[in-house]
Amino acid sequence: NAGVTQTPKFQVLKTGQSMTLQCAQDMNHEYMSWYRQDPGMGLRLIHYSVGAGITDQGEVPNGYNVSRSTTEDFPLRLLSAAPSQTSVYFCASSYDRTVNYGYTFGSGTRLTVV
Amino acid sequence: AQSVAQPEDQVNVAEGNPLTVKCTYSVSGNPYLFWYVQYPNRGLQFLLKYITGDNLVKGSYGFEAEFNKSQTSFHLKKPSALVSDSALYFCAVRDLTGGGNKLTFGTGTQLKVEL
Repeated sequence: NAGVTQTPKFQVLKTGQSMTLQCAQDMNHEYMSWYRQDPGMGLRLIHYSVGAGITDQGEVPNGYNVSRSTTEDFPLRLLSAAPSQTSVYFCASSYDRTVNYGYTFGSGTRLTVV
Repeated sequence: AQSVAQPEDQVNVAEGNPLTVKCTYSVSGNPYLFWYVQYPNRGLQFLLKYITGDNLVKGSYGFEAEFNKSQTSFHLKKPSALVSDSALYFCAVRDLTGGGNKLTFGTGTQLKVEL
């Protein structure tokens, strides 16, 4: 049981480039989300999904797109990378949309935009 | 909006001594509270949660947390700290505002346990 898998683990982008961060879970979790972690700011929610075909914005959605075509996958797309998007990105899933059970996290993607 | 606050950026404790990592919350309704731990270059791992019931919640790795409704606190505790407990600790609250459910996290507290 792999849990939540994120790829890649590290990435360096040039300003203006686009890329997709991958997230997959094998627990049949209904809820999936993306957070970014920055020093002194904790974790901030970017986007989340309560099921296949349903996505919604979080606290800091600008510059990011998501889609949820299957229950298992929830990719995060950076449309035109900016240095302000340098961060560590975490994908997290929860059993259902109530999030009463808390999250299972992936191991993170460390992104640097130069 | 629901929120949690972790007033200490860093907590230092000697190995073998008890440790406390503080968290206060602000919610409307009944709080669902969580503690997570993050080791260097790793994702966050679930430690424990409070939904209802006993005010003292026991979790992984010997940690426990005390829910105090009158003080709106949910402090993480361990009777005897280990060097291996050194990590970044996050308090979180289930947030039902804004049209969707999510966890809202504090800014984190770095715990350093020294010999």
